[in-house]
Amino acid sequence: KQEVTQIPAALSVPEGENLVLNCSFTDSAIYNLQWFRQDPGKGLTSLLLIQSSQREQTSGRLNASLDKSSGRSTLYIAASQPGDSATYLCAVNDNQGGKLIFGQGTELSVKP
Amino acid sequence: DAGVIQSPRHEVTEMGQEVTLRCKPISGHNSLFWYRQTMMRGLELLIYFNNNVPIDDSGMPEDRFSAKMPNASFSTLKIQPSEPRDSAVYFCASSLEGTAKAFFGQGTRLTVV
Repeated sequence: KQEVTQIPAALSVPEGENLVLNCSFTDSAIYNLQWFRQDPGKGLTSLLLIQSSQREQTSGRLNASLDKSSGRSTLYIAASQPGDSATYLCAVNDNQGGKLIFGQGTELSVKP
Repeated sequence: DAGVIQSPRHEVTEMGQEVTLRCKPISGHNSLFWYRQTMMRGLELLIYFNNNVPIDDSGMPEDRFSAKMPNASFSTLKIQPSEPRDSAVYFCASSLEGTAKAFFGQGTRLTVV
């Protein structure tokens, strides 16, 4: 059974810092991996999707990497801003297609 | 496009009552998902449809839960009878196809008292 773990559960950093959020999964047979952002009381917004054949994806200040063989992904946020404060969730799409299995998320707080 | 639209945004109901949650996916998307989010269990997939057909309902907790997708632009999740442990935020999501980027609605916060 696929399990997704995110470390740390919470993170507080001063504005301007570069930071890394970690995601690990137990079964490397995935189709793709997605990183989401969730603001309090809101839905999820997809940030980046990495196919199983890819190593990384970039969007603006965000860079996500994938090491499928070791079951790990990281989300790198450069020059963090208070507006980046949110919960970040990692989810893997298993090879059956469609079924996203989520980690518990990392709650990020960026202090001005 | 307005995105995935869910209604109602909030629902408070008494134990034993029937609850119906509604979802309108993004036009053109052929996969639709229902998720439940709680503090204890995080986000869990309840059921997903592909081309209006239920593909995987293994996450539906019990017979009190049912979901339908009568057409490509509408889906419902029904709980009958509702129980306090059903209190959670229920999300609907859609994608172009099952493994593509998923777009989530704003969620329905359900409270069963």
